[in-house]
Amino acid sequence: EAGVTQFPSHSVIEKGQTVTLRCDPISGHDNLYWYRRVMGKEIKFLLHFVKESKQDESGMPNNRFLAERTGGTYSTLKVQPAELEDSGVYFCASSRTLVQETQYFGPGTRLLVL
Amino acid sequence: SQQGEEDPQALSIQEGENATMNCSYKTSINNLQWYRQNSGRGLVHLILIRSNEREKHSGRLRVTLDTSKKSSSLLITASRAADTASYFCATDDYNNNDMRFGAGTRLTVKP
Repeated sequence: EAGVTQFPSHSVIEKGQTVTLRCDPISGHDNLYWYRRVMGKEIKFLLHFVKESKQDESGMPNNRFLAERTGGTYSTLKVQPAELEDSGVYFCASSRTLVQETQYFGPGTRLLVL
Repeated sequence: SQQGEEDPQALSIQEGENATMNCSYKTSINNLQWYRQNSGRGLVHLILIRSNEREKHSGRLRVTLDTSKKSSSLLITASRAADTASYFCATDDYNNNDMRFGAGTRLTVKP
């Protein structure tokens, strides 16, 4: 079974540009989570999808961040316009159901905003 | 295989008992972190232990790190039903700008 994949693995952009991160969860996993880790700090929750619906987006820092999961399969996280403080590692995780809580994490996308 | 592998995968205990979860990793690390996730919510950071530390306490939590064995343990003492959650370890490797998560341990504390 393929794991959670994320694309790109790295992204370097200039302040003001737009970047779109993609996450492909494990097939059949209804729950998809986005997390962010800013340099040297702990992981912080961004949002949670159940299928295509946003279950909880309380962790989204501001309206420059837009997450979508059309069709309930892969998800994208767009940052527009990117700011310097958006640099960090963005992780995606998926799980089958809430009853089975084990989450499987992707390798992360390392974003650097210059 | 996966960095930051936790065992057991699932643990069920009675309230008041202690719960011990283990995590093993393969590469060098700068620190290791333990996180908790309740049903349907995001991760909550519990504790971070640096590679030069051997033990750390926070309330009912005790974390140990053995870099020679590349392993860590999380002990929750006097468990409560509210401790029911999944617990993950994550390793930080600054040299490779890498952070890896394990699959987690699902802890169930029965009242």
